[in-house]
Amino acid sequence: QVQLVESGGGVVQPGRSLRLSCGVSGFSFPNYGMNWVRQAPGKGLEWVAVIWNDGSNEYYADSVRGRFTISRDNSNNTLYLQMNGLRAEDTAVYYCARGQLESFDYWGQGTLVTVSS
Amino acid sequence: QLVLTQSPSASASLGASVKLTCTLSSGHSGYAIAWHQQQPEKGPRYLIKLNADGSHIKGDGIPDRFSGSSSGAERYLTISSLQSEDEADYYCQTWGTGIVVFGGGTKLTVL
Repeated sequence: QVQLVESGGGVVQPGRSLRLSCGVSGFSFPNYGMNWVRQAPGKGLEWVAVIWNDGSNEYYADSVRGRFTISRDNSNNTLYLQMNGLRAEDTAVYYCARGQLESFDYWGQGTLVTVSS
Repeated sequence: QLVLTQSPSASASLGASVKLTCTLSSGHSGYAIAWHQQQPEKGPRYLIKLNADGSHIKGDGIPDRFSGSSSGAERYLTISSLQSEDEADYYCQTWGTGIVVFGGGTKLTVL
């Protein structure tokens, strides 16, 4: 069955960097666009970024553009999110989700990122 | 600007039906949306994609109790025969060129 498993979360100081990973199985990863979505504590869902199935296009939310970079390794079925210049307001559970500017039909369980000194 | 509006809360009794609403912003009434369910302490789960003409695609294993409909700029999620496990947050999602938008979510309480 389709599985998306995020990893790489943790506690990081403001201004530092962190890289999240999302390993997938159960479907042909190179055929699908992928996204990162986050959820701050007690808040709703916020889309972060999307990458095309072949990596040819990326789009970002205004709140992270210039600081975060989405990428993928289609040979290893893995999605990444490189987060630089982290701020307290980036504290959230980060989810990966399948979809290329379409409905997100599968989600992971999330990884928590806490930005705190 | 592409915006989705949802009521913050809704409630209905066990075994009853409830209809949740997601409203597209002006000028975007032809957009498709998706509904997602998020149970407490869990990741979101895809329920259904709704087109403007009311056609839809359900997620894998989603019970027949969940259905969707459309009218103008409104997109609805109807849950019938409410069960305790339906108590959750429900989010609508849409997309445009280079952007994905979520509604603020509706917290459903099953009485």
